[in-house]
Amino acid sequence: NAGVTQTPKFQVLKTGQSMTLQCAQDMNHEYMSWYRQDPGMGLRLIHYSVGAGITDQGEVPNGYNVSRSTTEDFPLRLLSAAPSQTSVYFCASGRDPPNTEAFFGQGTRLTVV
Amino acid sequence: GQQLNQSPQSMFIQEGEDVSMNCTSSSIFNTWLWYKQDPGEGPVLLIALYKAGELTSNGRLTAQFGITRKDSFLNISASIPSDVGIYFCAGPNSLNDYKLSFGAGTTVTVRA
Repeated sequence: NAGVTQTPKFQVLKTGQSMTLQCAQDMNHEYMSWYRQDPGMGLRLIHYSVGAGITDQGEVPNGYNVSRSTTEDFPLRLLSAAPSQTSVYFCASGRDPPNTEAFFGQGTRLTVV
Repeated sequence: GQQLNQSPQSMFIQEGEDVSMNCTSSSIFNTWLWYKQDPGEGPVLLIALYKAGELTSNGRLTAQFGITRKDSFLNISASIPSDVGIYFCAGPNSLNDYKLSFGAGTTVTVRA
C-alpha cells in the first residue's frame, strides 16, 4: 500500500538549473498539492490540483510550475532554480471536503547552490 | 491561507509526563487536523476533528475541537521517547475548501 510516493528523496542543483520533482498517489484522490517546508515556517502551499487537467496557485507559487494529466501523478517543475528554493518539498493527496484530510509523501530535500 | 498559531513553539518532555499543546485561529474552522512529523519523514495524520466540542482519542493522544471553533488542543498522556517530533495543527481555509493552512508546529524533545 504505497500511498503517496515522491522521487527523488534528495537533490542538489546549481543555480539556474531546472528539474522536476515527481509525485504519485494510488489512493484515487482527486486533490493533490505541493508544499514547501522551511525552518520555523510550517508548511506553505505552492500549487494544488482538484482533478486531472485542473491546477491552481497556492501561497508561494513563484518559480514553480505544475500540470496534472492523470489522477495519479502531479509533478512539480522548478524552471530556473534559485538558492531561495532550498527547502524540503512535500506532495500530498487528500479527500474531498468536508473530510479534507491530506496524506503526505516522504519529502524531497532540495539544495540549490 | 488563514493563520494558525501554535503554542508552545517547543517543549521538553520527560518519559511518563502528560503534555499538551494548542492551536488558535482568528477565524472559525470547521475541521481541525493534527499531524506528527518524525525527522526526515512526511507529516502523518494523527487525529481529525469535524464538530465543535468533539473530543477524539488515538491511543495516548487526545484532541479536542474548541467550542468557539477558533481553537483546538492536543494532549499526549504518559509520554514515551518515540513521541518526539514536530506536531502540526491544520485546517481547511473554508468549509468546502481542499486547501489546508498549517501552524508552524510544536517541537517536542525528550529532556535528558
